[in-house]
Amino acid sequence: NAGVMQNPRHLVRRRGQEARLRCSPMKGHSHVYWYRQLPEEGLKFMVYLQKENIIDESGMPKERFSAEFPKEGPSILRIQQVVRGDSAAYFCASSPGQAGTEAFFGQGTRLTVV
Amino acid sequence: GENVEQHPSTLSVQEGDSAVIKCTYSDSASNYFPWYKQELGKGPQLIIDIRSNVGEKKDQRIAVTLNKTAKHFSLHITETQPEDSAVYFCAAIRGRDDKIIFGKGTRLHILP
Repeated sequence: NAGVMQNPRHLVRRRGQEARLRCSPMKGHSHVYWYRQLPEEGLKFMVYLQKENIIDESGMPKERFSAEFPKEGPSILRIQQVVRGDSAAYFCASSPGQAGTEAFFGQGTRLTVV
Repeated sequence: GENVEQHPSTLSVQEGDSAVIKCTYSDSASNYFPWYKQELGKGPQLIIDIRSNVGEKKDQRIAVTLNKTAKHFSLHITETQPEDSAVYFCAAIRGRDDKIIFGKGTRLHILP
């Protein structure tokens, strides 16, 4: 059973371009979290989704950032018109969605904006 | 909302000694407390967890304790080894359809 798969592992974008980060949850998992991590810092919550529904997006910047988790296919975190401050590691985790159930993380996508 | 405090931020212990990391949470509705280990360049790895109806859980050299009254929980690593060097994060979840709230992490150094 494959774990949480994120791609690409590394992404370089020029300022003003768009970044698309993909996350395929573990088999049987219906819920996905996205977190952002700056170097030497903790995990900052961005958004929590289940298939075709956003449960909590309180950590997501209001502009330029969006996330989706369609019925078929991976969850996508989209950052439009990237700026240098968007450079970070972005991690997703998946869970079966029941209360108190384990969440497992992917290896992350390291975004560098040049 | 929930707030998780974690201490210390850095911890150095001699190989073979024990390490203890402590966390407190603010929301008494939190009922699930996972611990993650993150090695350099990798994603966080779930190493142990505890639910609010249990006071202690052990898995080989790792144990976690929970005091619901005081709203704090701790990670204990015994007989530390070099491969235990990493950043450890505690977390709390209130329940169904709720996000995971993390502490700021503890960088553990195992000294030879």
